[in-house]
Amino acid sequence: SQTIHQWPATLVQPVGSPLSLECTVEGTSNPNLYWYRQAAGRGLQLLFYSVGIGQISSEVPQNLSASRPQDRQFILSSKKLLLSDSGFYLCALMRSGEAAFFGQGTRLTVV
Amino acid sequence: KQEVTQIPAALSVPEGENLVLNCSFTDSAIYNLQWFRQDPGKGLTSLLLIQSSQREQTSGRLNASLDKSSGRSTLYIAASQPGDSATYLCAGRGAGSYQLTFGKGTKLSVIP
Repeated sequence: SQTIHQWPATLVQPVGSPLSLECTVEGTSNPNLYWYRQAAGRGLQLLFYSVGIGQISSEVPQNLSASRPQDRQFILSSKKLLLSDSGFYLCALMRSGEAAFFGQGTRLTVV
Repeated sequence: KQEVTQIPAALSVPEGENLVLNCSFTDSAIYNLQWFRQDPGKGLTSLLLIQSSQREQTSGRLNASLDKSSGRSTLYIAASQPGDSATYLCAGRGAGSYQLTFGKGTKLSVIP
């Protein structure tokens, strides 16, 4: 069965510091991978998605970037965090015609 | 662009009651619609997936329907239990799109 590993579960970072969140998947190949952010009082916002290695689509212009160096690895990064980057970050995978599957998320607090 | 709305934002019911959660979407050219459950501080758990060619899906006490012409989906929960308390999210995927567009969810509280 497919599994998504996200770490860390919680993270507190100062404003202006860099960020790297990693998502790795098991039990599937060639998935579409997604990064979502869930902020307090707001719905899930799609940040990036990837349909293959090195292919990244950005949905929201912002302080973040994403990379997919391997088929089962998706990384969310920032060079300098802003207070507004605080939120709950979720990695997801989806294959054509199948249900989306989510990881357990990383709670990021920027202070 | 697909927009998904869930009403009400919160719902409180006594244990044992049957209930319906509502989801509406703007683009009837929907590829599929998915219902999720989210417990506080946790990720999303997929409950049911309805393809555009289907009208409903059932899993245990849950039944989800899809009406593309009216742009609506419902999640029916039978004989609710306190363990059903969570936020329920629906998400639509448009035809030809790689994206899921989410509603803001309905927070359900089942009172013992």
